[in-house]
Amino acid sequence: GAGVSQSPRYKVTKRGQDVALRCDPISGHVSLYWYRQALGQGPEFLTYFNYEAQQDKSGLPNDRFSAERPEGSISTLTIQRTEQRDSAMYRCASSLGWDRETNEKLFFGSGTQLSVL
Amino acid sequence: AQSVAQPEDQVNVAEGNPLTVKCTYSVSGNPYLFWYVQYPNRGLQFLLKYITGDNLVKGSYGFEAEFNKSQTSFHLKKPSALVSDSALYFCAVRDSWDSNYQLIWGAGTKLIIKP
Repeated sequence: GAGVSQSPRYKVTKRGQDVALRCDPISGHVSLYWYRQALGQGPEFLTYFNYEAQQDKSGLPNDRFSAERPEGSISTLTIQRTEQRDSAMYRCASSLGWDRETNEKLFFGSGTQLSVL
Repeated sequence: AQSVAQPEDQVNVAEGNPLTVKCTYSVSGNPYLFWYVQYPNRGLQFLLKYITGDNLVKGSYGFEAEFNKSQTSFHLKKPSALVSDSALYFCAVRDSWDSNYQLIWGAGTKLIIKP
């Protein structure tokens, strides 16, 4: 697609429910990143993929958070047993990823605003 | 440890005046530096980057940034501000010694341009 697409745009859920957030990166982009952004703060790294391989998941807060990118394109970030502290904007970004320079020009989606009640 | 500081939460500038948004950094190796802009209800957009070479980097929308190694700074500038420049601006850095492709982000500076 023309840009990074994330869905849903808004998600309201009850504490304890599982949620799945979807990211559709720019076609042909190798690298895909998930970030969490609190209001008025910079993005907080969660995890990233090159193709379908999860290269780094060190930013995932705990084992309730997981991500996958099974075919090297669309990615899903899943949060199990949601808690109120999980409420935030979750942003996906992609990059060409062919070399160090292109890998660092990130294209961000508009994000999914998650609210856990 | 890598870190980025944006010392100003908010910067107010009159339209037509020059603007500066400050950023300082700390890395172990050589810095790769970036500026991103976030408009309301939009994703972050890449503005410019410094990898190596000329210390003055030109980017999108008439913005430029100056890399100053001695002051470990990478301030964003524009000679004449527009009301449409009002947005949230983020500075980010990557350490050349870091084997991961991770950017460290500043907390952001809200830029308000008044007509």
